[in-house]
Amino acid sequence: DGGITQSPKYLFRKEGQNVTLSCEQNLNHDAMYWYRQDPGQGLRLIYYSQIVNDFQKGDIAEGYSVSREKKESFPLTVTSAQKNPTAFYLCASSIGEGQYGYTFGSGTRLTVV
Amino acid sequence: QKEVEQDPGPLSVPEGAIVSLNCTYSNSAFQYFMWYRQYSRKGPELLMYTYSSGNKEDGRFTAQVDKSSKYISLFIRDSQPSDSATYLCAMSPPNTDKLIFGTGTRLQVFP
Repeated sequence: DGGITQSPKYLFRKEGQNVTLSCEQNLNHDAMYWYRQDPGQGLRLIYYSQIVNDFQKGDIAEGYSVSREKKESFPLTVTSAQKNPTAFYLCASSIGEGQYGYTFGSGTRLTVV
Repeated sequence: QKEVEQDPGPLSVPEGAIVSLNCTYSNSAFQYFMWYRQYSRKGPELLMYTYSSGNKEDGRFTAQVDKSSKYISLFIRDSQPSDSATYLCAMSPPNTDKLIFGTGTRLQVFP
């Protein structure tokens, strides 16, 4: 079955540490996205990539970094510069045109301890 | 002003009720409209998709778009406890890969 796999499902991080969230898709989608979801704030776009080796900042990119070395993979690194990293992180992909909607992964819950 | 406005709820209804979920938007260029359902601690899943104005029905779900009023709705007939989730509207103008999401409405259907 085609889909998006995010791992791990739960992640705990000590303050001052960088962590990387994994996102892999086998849908042959060109575009991939990272969102952050906080209660009452909806989905906020962190980074997106429309093609391999290229990506753009979203609305809240500060403290995050990404790479897109393969079409299937779009990992997100939450750096120590991110002041409030505890959140639910969602990865999504699309064929590259928003009119067809996005397919989402099941999310990673990151908690800073 | 946000491009897409959605009441966060929660909306609590008894089993069997008709539910109406709504979003308003400000960008008249939006042409593609979607509804996503998100269960707790899960990713959103695409529920309904409509293009331009009109209605679309799928089982107990009906999506309605009124472009003249910049207003979209999702109706759920014969609501079930399994419909308890957060419902997000999303929309897109043509020729772009960007989706603009509402903040989501939390629905609770009690037996």
